Amino acid sequence: DAGVTQSPTHLIKTRGQQVTLRCSPKSGHDTVSWYQQALGQGPQFIFQYYEEEERQRGNFPDRFSGHQFPNYSSELNVNALLLGDSALYLCASSLVAGWESTDTQYFGPGTRLTVL
Amino acid sequence: QKEVEQDPGPLSVPEGAIVSLNCTYSNSAFQYFMWYRQYSRKGPELLMYTYSSGNKEDGRFTAQVDKSSKYISLFIRDSQPSDSATYLCAMINAGGTSYGKLTFGQGTILTVHP
Repeated sequence: DAGVTQSPTHLIKTRGQQVTLRCSPKSGHDTVSWYQQALGQGPQFIFQYYEEEERQRGNFPDRFSGHQFPNYSSELNVNALLLGDSALYLCASSLVAGWESTDTQYFGPGTRLTVL
Repeated sequence: QKEVEQDPGPLSVPEGAIVSLNCTYSNSAFQYFMWYRQYSRKGPELLMYTYSSGNKEDGRFTAQVDKSSKYISLFIRDSQPSDSATYLCAMINAGGTSYGKLTFGQGTILTVHP
């Protein structure tokens, strides 16, 4: 049973560029959440996608956007990259049970983004 | 003030020691509590998931929740060098406008030396 997978593993970009990160959820999961983890910090919630819609968003600017596809995979897009966007970007998948999202979130290995 | 506070350490202990990791939180809406372990350059791995106040045991790991004090702990017995990692506490609301959002502590770096 494949767990959460993310691509690419590492990415180097320059300021002002745009980047797209990809995530495939764990088999059977329908919900994908994205987190940003700066060095030495805990992950910070960016947003969550369910049924191809963003249903929850953290305190991140509109430069951060996402998408969920019918097969539940997801993309995270970041426009106009800043030096401060350098971080590990984590994808987590879960299975929504009714209206309560107390379901367990399983994380992928992350994509390490470096902005120069 | 951060919603979740966790002592970043680092914490260094000898093999076989009992380790205590702690988090405090300010948001009384948090109802579900998790501990994740993260090895260097890897994604977080779920260790424990608890709901109510009290203790939950799984092998060498015990999670403790005290909702009245807004305080959670993770105990590791007979610690091993393979336990060396960053330990993250995380919390979630059940329902409401913040459901689905995990709020993490800063993480505690643990080193178990032989």
